[in-house]
Order: sequence, then structure tokens, then C-alpha cells
Amino acid sequence: GQQVMQIPQYQHVQEGEDFTTYCNSSTTLSNIQWYKQRPGGHPVFLIQLVKSGEVKKQKRLTFQFGEAKKNSSLHITATQTTDVGTYFCSGGTSYGKLTFGQGTILTVHP
Amino acid sequence: DAGVTQSPTHLIKTRGQQVTLRCSPKSGHDTVSWYQQALGQGPQFIFQYYEEEERQRGNFPDRFSGHQFPNYSSELNVNALLLGDSALYLCASSIDGANYGYTFGSGTRLTVV
Repeated sequence: GQQVMQIPQYQHVQEGEDFTTYCNSSTTLSNIQWYKQRPGGHPVFLIQLVKSGEVKKQKRLTFQFGEAKKNSSLHITATQTTDVGTYFCSGGTSYGKLTFGQGTILTVHP
Repeated sequence: DAGVTQSPTHLIKTRGQQVTLRCSPKSGHDTVSWYQQALGQGPQFIFQYYEEEERQRGNFPDRFSGHQFPNYSSELNVNALLLGDSALYLCASSIDGANYGYTFGSGTRLTVV
């Protein structure tokens, strides 16, 4: 079955440093979605990418979808303590079934 | 406010018992999906309901079953509980065919002892 892998598993940064997490799928995806889960919370939708090579920005966050639609990345510029949490990518297939990666836990030290 | 309401928030059950979890989707959403999230892991897809039918199912045994009601709310039932069923159960709703992400509820924390 489809597998989605994320690296790194953990990332510790100083406030103000940049952060990147990478996502790779074993199969071609129809879309990729990114979610953020704060400690003790639930996943919150950040963005969906659909087109090959697509790049989207949300303030300090930049999302990319690979040309082959099998990989993606999330880059945060100048991290803040409010960025703390686990970032999940999820590969979308027909009828919206999402296969989640294991997530990258981001810790930001002030 | 997540928009998706799940109940109960926490539950403790004994091995072999049965449990029912409930979900009310965000207003205007017609599709409900259920996910199991073990500690330190990503959510795992259980199944999805649309028009009161199970449309897609993940790799979970038949002990996991569900239902969707005409008002789009949904239930997740788990029979013959095992210790390994202890997890956070998340309900996610969306509009069928809409090109945006899911809205997740705050989840039900199930502990099997």
C-alpha cells in the first residue's frame, strides 16, 4: 500500500532560525496536504497542493510539491515559538483518503 | 472551536468491551472520516462515510465499524477491545469533491485497560 515518509523526525531550532521538513511518497499523489498539530491538540489544515511543481506561500511558510508529485516540502523562515508542534504531510488519493507521514516534531528555543 | 464535535473526550474501557464514539461534522460538511492516532504517530485512516455509506476503508479489522446518519453525524464502534486499541480517535469532516483540507475534531482519547 501507499507509504508516506517524513524527515526529519525531530528538529530543534533557535528562535529565528529556518526549518524544513521533507515528505516522500511511495506512489504518485493526486494531492498533498499539510497539517500542524500542537501538543495535546488535533491536526489543523494548513494547505493543499495539487499541481506538479506547485509552490505556495503563507506568510513565513513555503510549501512545494515535486514535479513527479511524489514529494513535498515545508519551509518555515525565521521560526517563532508559536511554530512549535508536529507538522504532518498527508498524501491524498481518490475520494479523499489521506495517508499521513509520521510527522516532524519542531521545537523552538527562545 | 474546531467546528467538528466529538464525544466523549476521554474514555476508559476494559479489554473485551465495546465502545461507541460520536462525531458531528462541521456545518455544511457531508463527508466524515475516522482516524486512529497512536502516541507519537501520524493519524491512520480507518474509514470514510458519505451518503450514509462506507465509501473507503483502511487496513483495520472488522471489529471497527461505523455509521453515518441522515444529518451527516457519524459513529465509530469498536468491538472486543484490545489493549492496542488505546489511541486518540479523530473525526474529520469535509465537503465531498471540495478541493481543500479536512477539519478535524479534538478527538476522543480511548484507554483500554
